[in-house]
Amino acid sequence: DVQMTQSLSYLAASPGESVSISCKASKSISNYLAWYQQKPGEAYKLLIYSGSTLQSGTPSRFSGSGSGTDFTLTIRSLEPEDFGLYYCQQYYEKPLTFGSGTKLEIK
Amino acid sequence: QVQLQQSGTELVKPASSVKISCKASGYTFTSNYMHWIRQQPGNGLEWIGWIYPGNGNTKYNQKFDGKATLTADKSSSTAYMQLSSLTSEDSAVYFCARRMSMGITPYAPFDYWGQGVMVTVSS
Repeated sequence: DVQMTQSLSYLAASPGESVSISCKASKSISNYLAWYQQKPGEAYKLLIYSGSTLQSGTPSRFSGSGSGTDFTLTIRSLEPEDFGLYYCQQYYEKPLTFGSGTKLEIK
Repeated sequence: QVQLQQSGTELVKPASSVKISCKASGYTFTSNYMHWIRQQPGNGLEWIGWIYPGNGNTKYNQKFDGKATLTADKSSSTAYMQLSSLTSEDSAVYFCARRMSMGITPYAPFDYWGQGVMVTVSS
């Protein structure tokens, strides 16, 4: 199975700041990488797919980069509503696997 | 708009089975893959498998072979997952999620998720 590692489990930042969340795959997954946001009481939301393509409705302050094994989700100019849990997921091969999540707290 | 409405919380006894549902609306149910994902308390997400409601084809994560059975009812646009021989390890939140329309592969991101069903296994 492809292991997805999000090394940072927790991150706190202030509105207006920029943050980056990393995700590393145990083998090359090309750009078959998605990022999701989970907020309490809400359904999971797809933010980015194919490593860097913004899903419709995702604010432009979100961006994704990387390919192969190393990926990054960047949020520029944080807004208070950006708090939540962020997960990466590979869909390169079965079984689909997810990172362990990074909790973003807004200071 | 696309919606995936899942059934309610379940409290079930060890060794029993449970069947949870995911009612889809706002799109052609039979034309897209439905996936299921598990989230155990304090743990990450695990992919269980998919079903293609158009023909009933399924594929499972080997870890869930024999544990989960996926079915779909085209007439009601509802996907189901039955979990059998339940133990405390099966206590988790279970999500259905629609595969994003992206070519013919069943493996693509999930663009819509249900709200999740909490299953608690306890005597």
